[in-house]
Amino acid sequence: KAGVTQTPRYLIKTRGQQVTLSCSPISGHRSVSWYQQTPGQGLQFLFEYFSETQRNKGNFPGRFSGRQFSNSRSEMNVSTLELGDSALYLCASSLLLASVNEQFFGPGTRLTVL
Amino acid sequence: KNEVEQSPQNLTAQEGEFITINCSYSVGISALHWLQQHPGGGIVSLFMLSSGKKKHGRLIATINIQEKHSSLHITASHPRDSAVYICAVCPTSADRGSTLGRLYFGRGTQLTVWP
Repeated sequence: KAGVTQTPRYLIKTRGQQVTLSCSPISGHRSVSWYQQTPGQGLQFLFEYFSETQRNKGNFPGRFSGRQFSNSRSEMNVSTLELGDSALYLCASSLLLASVNEQFFGPGTRLTVL
Repeated sequence: KNEVEQSPQNLTAQEGEFITINCSYSVGISALHWLQQHPGGGIVSLFMLSSGKKKHGRLIATINIQEKHSSLHITASHPRDSAVYICAVCPTSADRGSTLGRLYFGRGTQLTVWP
């Protein structure tokens, strides 16, 4: 069974631009969660999607948004990029809700904002 | 305020030593996760537990719900165990401003095992 895949793996953008990251979960998994990891803040929860509905959202500004498609693939979008958005963005999938199910992480997308 | 505290922040050991990493949390939880992150960023889920103890190979995770504390033990440590170990919890209620259903993470413990 293929693991969680994320594209692209690396991305360089400039301030003010927007970016879309993609995550394909393990086949059959219905939950996709997104996380931001920075050296200063560690891992932080962005949001979780389950059956195309956002189930939970972390404490991030509205510039961070996401969606999930009927095939459970998910995208997250960051608009009006700021330098502080430079981070490793990880997605994880689980069979059901992430909080009480084992999560399987993708390799991450490393975003650099110049 | 951090719902999850890990200790130590950094840990160095010689190959073969017994390792313990601690995680304390301040809210009621439905589950606690232990994660391993290798250089380069890849994260692997090691354990998810809500009570008692789980064992997988040389790794053992325990949790004491009453004391709000969990430990991750590595027996006979090996250089390939060198990684960051992260504890995460899921609160059971909107306690002290936390949100139901989402994970809160510790800052991680950097483990280095020398041959």
